[in-house]
Amino acid sequence: QKEVEQNSGPLSVPEGAIASLNCTYSDRGSQSFFWYRQYSGKSPELIMSIYSNGDKEDGRFTAQLNKASQYVSLLIRDSQPSDSATYLCAVWNTGGFKTIFGAGTRLFVKA
Amino acid sequence: DAGVTQSPTHLIKTRGQQVTLRCSPKSGHDTVSWYQQALGQGPQFIFQYYEEEERQRGNFPDRFSGHQFPNYSSELNVNALLLGDSALYLCASSLSGARPLNTEAFFGQGTRLTVV
Repeated sequence: QKEVEQNSGPLSVPEGAIASLNCTYSDRGSQSFFWYRQYSGKSPELIMSIYSNGDKEDGRFTAQLNKASQYVSLLIRDSQPSDSATYLCAVWNTGGFKTIFGAGTRLFVKA
Repeated sequence: DAGVTQSPTHLIKTRGQQVTLRCSPKSGHDTVSWYQQALGQGPQFIFQYYEEEERQRGNFPDRFSGHQFPNYSSELNVNALLLGDSALYLCASSLSGARPLNTEAFFGQGTRLTVV
């Protein structure tokens, strides 16, 4: 079992729709959860951090965390073509002192 | 406020050679982690440096080594390069400690290493 799992996609949504990206993790000791956006050929950019159960909203982005189900998600409202990228889920835990990444989900937003 | 900077941005090396990549962390950060990202994959953790020592290591051979300097900058060295070492090498900086905000990691632009 991979430590952090994501559907590789691609996920295709029309412009203006909601894109829903999902991630599961294996280590129950994980404490911090992140979503990074990575455009082709570029480095990952941190877009959301979440540390407690529930929802966290920032502009068009909402991160959701359910520690009991070991599940993290990212919702992108009013998706734009510029949102087309690979979205990486990342998880940090105290014992490991490291951030583990999923393989990423490719998102395409069609104009 | 300078973010994380890496050098060089691109590098071409021959199989068997050695390479050194450099990273300066974001201002105020004291921890540097190195990742390898192959095409189509997520970043794979190589190791982390804190207080000039390797604090944590991923599943990478001893050919991969590093160093952290007193000013928190860091180097990644790879010996006896293999074709499979071709990848984007990413440096990420963060703060020490277990407080949640300290765990946020910010990446440099990466070094694209091609081994021929």
